[in-house]
Amino acid sequence: QQPVQSPQAVILREGEDAVINCSSSKALYSVHWYRQKHGEAPVFLMILLKGGEQKGHEKISASFNEKKQQSSLYLTASQLSYSGTYFCGTEGAGNTPLVFGKGTRLSVIA
Amino acid sequence: SAVISQKPSRDICQRGTSLTIQCQVDSQVTMMFWYRQQPGQSLTLIATANQGSEATYESGFVIDKFPISRPNLTFSTLTVSNMSPEDSSIYLCSVLGEQETQYFGPGTRLLVL
Repeated sequence: QQPVQSPQAVILREGEDAVINCSSSKALYSVHWYRQKHGEAPVFLMILLKGGEQKGHEKISASFNEKKQQSSLYLTASQLSYSGTYFCGTEGAGNTPLVFGKGTRLSVIA
Repeated sequence: SAVISQKPSRDICQRGTSLTIQCQVDSQVTMMFWYRQQPGQSLTLIATANQGSEATYESGFVIDKFPISRPNLTFSTLTVSNMSPEDSSIYLCSVLGEQETQYFGPGTRLLVL
């Protein structure tokens, strides 16, 4: 089943923060986050495995709540370069292809 | 990370014809996948390309329409057969790399007239 992402779209000013959520109706083995800019291929950001750990860099991080079957992507102090569509991909078992959400379109304006 | 190339990068085709898309990876990978992404939409898995055996297709996709070859661990092809305008889309090859990370090729942009 396709994971559900929210919000569908968000507009930020530079320096503002955003949270993108991804939830699934079935048990998850892992959650993957990608960013896709217009006309380009999706670019891998991070993977979160079972265990609820938070990962990421200083300004882009993510968490995975295995029990709630949810993941959240946190973007802090947003930059213009953060603009794009963010997809979560979920995996129900190891080494299986990802099922992607519909995406969240993020626009950062000056 | 794996480096993936696709050919062609884009094409404009007439309805009723077929197009074969090639995917080349710079290292041997066990798992390769083909996705479709219609304009402004999410990525939809077409099939898993298995080396040495038939591809595994997702619901709504059939081998007659999307035949796939996987002759070795670095190469795969996807053919879009008997095309119609509804097949206009971006077709992406993807591979499973280290630490279960999935990487995408640059995509093939197909327009069917």
